[in-house]
Amino acid sequence: AQSVSQHNHHVILSEAASLELGCNYSYGGTVNLFWYVQYPGQHLQLLLKYFSGDPLVKGIKGFEAEFIKSKFSFNLRKPSVQWSDTAEYFCAVNAIGSARQLTFGSGTQLTVLP
Amino acid sequence: DAGVTQSPTHLIKTRGQHVTLRCSPISGHKSVSWYQQVLGQGPQFIFQYYEKEERGRGNFPDRFSARQFPNYSSELNVNALLLGDSALYLCASIPDRGIFTDTQYFGPGTRLTVL
Repeated sequence: AQSVSQHNHHVILSEAASLELGCNYSYGGTVNLFWYVQYPGQHLQLLLKYFSGDPLVKGIKGFEAEFIKSKFSFNLRKPSVQWSDTAEYFCAVNAIGSARQLTFGSGTQLTVLP
Repeated sequence: DAGVTQSPTHLIKTRGQHVTLRCSPISGHKSVSWYQQVLGQGPQFIFQYYEKEERGRGNFPDRFSARQFPNYSSELNVNALLLGDSALYLCASIPDRGIFTDTQYFGPGTRLTVL
């Protein structure tokens, strides 16, 4: 079975700082990778996804993520965060053959100080 | 276009009771998945249904059951509620075009509190 680790539980940054959130997964086969965001009081929204091809994927609101297969990682990045990026961020994996079951990490709470 | 809708928004039950949660997927989507999100954790997969058939089941006890209707809406049922069942229950809508690159779109969830 697959698993996902998000090592940063809570990250606090000032506006304009750069962001990198770590995500590692364990599964030996082909995977689809996702980052979801949950803004305060809102539902889970898709930030970006990787299925195949270019390992550097761009998502909404200036976020990007890089898939490094050799490291089983899919880290999320943003060059300059804004106060409105304050939210909880979840990395998720869908292993091929798992009936589209998403396995989520425990999440990273990002707080951006104005 | 309407997104994923779930009802009720909030629910308070006592231990031992039964609860039914409902989900309507995005129009045109044929598959739904249910997830449980306990406070401070990521969502955990419970069930997935496609065309009224159970396609996948997570590591949850038999007290949890679900079904999907011909209009693709779905119900999640939990019997003999325990305090540990208190959580946000999420429904995800999937286009299910027969490919694994489908994205899952989440609803707002139902907040269940068991006292």
